[in-house]
Amino acid sequence: SQQGEEDPQALSIQEGENATMNCSYKTSINNLQWYRQNSGRGLVHLILIRSNEREKHSGRLRVTLDTSKKSSSLLITASRAADTASYFCATDGLGAQKLVFGQGTRLTINP
Amino acid sequence: GAVVSQHPSRVICKSGTSVKIECRSLDFQATTMFWYRQFPKQSLMLMATSNEGSKATYEQGVEKDKFLINHASLTLSTLTVTSAHPEDSSFYICSARGGGRGNTIYFGEGSWLTVV
Repeated sequence: SQQGEEDPQALSIQEGENATMNCSYKTSINNLQWYRQNSGRGLVHLILIRSNEREKHSGRLRVTLDTSKKSSSLLITASRAADTASYFCATDGLGAQKLVFGQGTRLTINP
Repeated sequence: GAVVSQHPSRVICKSGTSVKIECRSLDFQATTMFWYRQFPKQSLMLMATSNEGSKATYEQGVEKDKFLINHASLTLSTLTVTSAHPEDSSFYICSARGGGRGNTIYFGEGSWLTVV
């Protein structure tokens, strides 16, 4: 079963703009991770944020985590055409060893 | 470079036949492997979790007799889709977690299965 939802389901912006995607989950977690998937390809791990962290940066990526609201956001700054992909959040719950994925956001960057 | 390899990347099989997909951890021992399926424009749905040397744990709604999972060694897990039907056509992705790599889970490149 899916852990939660992401919104928006699809996002289309102009190159250079910032893109924000949100993820909500249902149960307590150890970690939350964000992945990127190009069409028809495997997953690329972007960033992991632990349950005791509130914000994390990696290059043009900024991830926040609010455990009280059971939500996370992924911000991609200064977007590029190559950022066009689907983005998924994934959580592993307390005592669980498996990753459960959100529904994903399809991001399109228009040149 | 890739640390989890899936093979084949694409396979076409006839309805009623069985097809096997392999997932290998290349430079670490994968104590746990996971199998997902993904329909176009949808998210990844976990099918089962397999620990080396023991039976796989299947998610609710996944037929264990249809999707046979074997994790016989610390570097190899296989998914066999038995008596495949067109509705089994999907993208199958494996991932692996293992000792020495902490909690990091590595994903394979996925396998496209088309049943005709």
